[in-house]
Amino acid sequence: KAGVTQTPRYLIKTRGQQVTLSCSPISGHRSVSWYQQTPGQGLQFLFEYFSETQRNKGNFPGRFSGRQFSNSRSEMNVSTLELGDSALYLCASRVGLAGEASEQFFGPGTRLTVL
Amino acid sequence: GNSVTQMEGPVTLSEEAFLTINCTYTATGYPSLFWYVQYPGEGLQLLLKATKADDKGSNKGFEATYRKETTSFHLEKGSVQVSDSAVYFCALKGSARQLTFGSGTQLTVLP
Repeated sequence: KAGVTQTPRYLIKTRGQQVTLSCSPISGHRSVSWYQQTPGQGLQFLFEYFSETQRNKGNFPGRFSGRQFSNSRSEMNVSTLELGDSALYLCASRVGLAGEASEQFFGPGTRLTVL
Repeated sequence: GNSVTQMEGPVTLSEEAFLTINCTYTATGYPSLFWYVQYPGEGLQLLLKATKADDKGSNKGFEATYRKETTSFHLEKGSVQVSDSAVYFCALKGSARQLTFGSGTQLTVLP
């Protein structure tokens, strides 16, 4: 079974631009979560989608948004990029939200550099 | 809110040395506890987990025991290998069902 895939793997943008990152979950997984990883702040939860609905949200500004499609694929958008948005963005998928089914499987991440 | 504190790195060991990476947590209720490993250029992989007090998670020679009385979940391995070099993250999942991570510990094992 294929793992979680993220595209693109690397991205360079300039301040003020916007960016869209994509995540394809493991087949059969209906939940997708996004995390931001930086050297200073570590791993921080952005949001989680399940069945096309945002179920949980971390403490990030409104410039960070996401959505999930009917095939469970998810996109994350960051508008008006700032230098501090440079990070590794990790996507994780799981079958469901509760119990043993809720183990998360992570993708390799998208490395975003903002210049 | 929930938080995880883990041992500052980096940690450098010789092959076959004993490894301990300390992890303590703060959470309400009864969280599940996890150790994830991140190899260079890759995402996180679940290493082991424990879902209730006194449970011991184990995988690939690594072990960690869920200690509710000390709110700890220390990672141990009796004999590390060069291939264990990676960043290790302690994490918890509470009632909100999202993962809260520690800051990560870089482990380097020298031959």
